[in-house]
Amino acid sequence: GQQLNQSPQSMFIQEGEDVSMNCTSSSIFNTWLWYKQDPGEGPVLLIALYKAGELTSNGRLTAQFGITRKDSFLNISASIPSDVGIYFCAGQELGGTSYGKLTFGQGTILTVHP
Amino acid sequence: DGGITQSPKYLFRKEGQNVTLSCEQNLNHDAMYWYRQDPGQGLRLIYYSQIVNDFQKGDIAEGYSVSREKKESFPLTVTSAQKNPTAFYLCASSALTSTRTYEQYFGPGTRLTVT
Repeated sequence: GQQLNQSPQSMFIQEGEDVSMNCTSSSIFNTWLWYKQDPGEGPVLLIALYKAGELTSNGRLTAQFGITRKDSFLNISASIPSDVGIYFCAGQELGGTSYGKLTFGQGTILTVHP
Repeated sequence: DGGITQSPKYLFRKEGQNVTLSCEQNLNHDAMYWYRQDPGQGLRLIYYSQIVNDFQKGDIAEGYSVSREKKESFPLTVTSAQKNPTAFYLCASSALTSTRTYEQYFGPGTRLTVT
């Protein structure tokens, strides 16, 4: 199945720095979601985006649904050690045949040094 | 508390044995999903179900089977036909409502090791 192109694959940052990651697709998506996965646990939904151009915040996290509907980005401001984990983007392709089925990116591994 | 439970957290089996992974949800969600995650990789869809007594193959269904006899339960059987069964298995569910259709919520996962 199709997969999203998520970048970067990994990031090593100092505590307090801002983080930015993004996902792109060759096809149009009508929904973008961002998840965080702690080691050995299931992913947790952070932000859901449903409209092109939509900008949504959840605490220190901000995500945007790209105007072209082919991309989305996630920003984390003032990172802290507990931000460590794998961040996944996911989306529903416009015109997709399977109602409710998501396509996932490969994930961005975030490491925060105190 | 509402949520998704998967049991057990860790499972060990000998090669050639079938094994069934449990997934239960009390969120009253219509749809349920099974994913496989390998180290350093994303999530790959195995099977999904949008309604009781109906399910569809995902991208990597070979060697797996499922059932959906109750809305709350969606067990996954890893059969001996699955060539590389050792992986982290995640169950998810979603409401399929008009505004939150694509918001999938995940269980804690089961790590299966086959030797």
